[in-house]
Amino acid sequence: DVKVTQSSRYLVKRTGEKVFLECVQDMDHENMFWYRQDPGLGLRLIYFSYDVKMKEKGDIPEGYSVSREKKERFSLILESASTNQTSMYLCASRNPSGRDEQYFGPGTRLTVT
Amino acid sequence: RKEVEQDPGPFNVPEGATVAFNCTYSNSASQSFFWYRQDCRKEPKLLMSVYSSGNEDGRFTAQLNRASQYISLLIRDSKLSDSATYLCVVNSDNFNKFYFGSGTKLNVKP
Repeated sequence: DVKVTQSSRYLVKRTGEKVFLECVQDMDHENMFWYRQDPGLGLRLIYFSYDVKMKEKGDIPEGYSVSREKKERFSLILESASTNQTSMYLCASRNPSGRDEQYFGPGTRLTVT
Repeated sequence: RKEVEQDPGPFNVPEGATVAFNCTYSNSASQSFFWYRQDCRKEPKLLMSVYSSGNEDGRFTAQLNRASQYISLLIRDSKLSDSATYLCVVNSDNFNKFYFGSGTKLNVKP
């Protein structure tokens, strides 16, 4: 069974803080993704990574950066958190040679006050 | 224009009913199509992929209409446990990038 874990289920941070969200997958998948999910807007792609040290911007990368130093770990960084980054953050992984299924972590609900 | 559009619902149906959702997509070059299910406060999980010829998995049937650029999901004999939000997912012409609809909420009532 594929397992994707995220470092926190709930997080509360103050405006201006630097925030790290960690995601780890145990299936040796090349691709990893960070999404945010907001009511009425669905999941929107922030960044994705083809493989170690490779990344590509998604549709809403502003205010975020990512790091993929090891294949199993994909980190999302909010350089200076703002209230409009309050959201549910979902990490996913995928084997591009497989059936295209994305496996999601349980999500991190981030509140920025 | 959104890449993927869905009716948010909610669709309120009695147990045993048949219900259908549609989803439209804007990129005619899209190649892969999926339905995911998301339970309240849980992560999305793949329900089924959608193939050109249509496919069926038990009570669930998915269809693709490339000419009109929509996919559909039909649920027969609805169960209480089918209550969830159903997300339509389409890949972009960058095969590693996927667009999610905002979901259609289904409530199956006794």
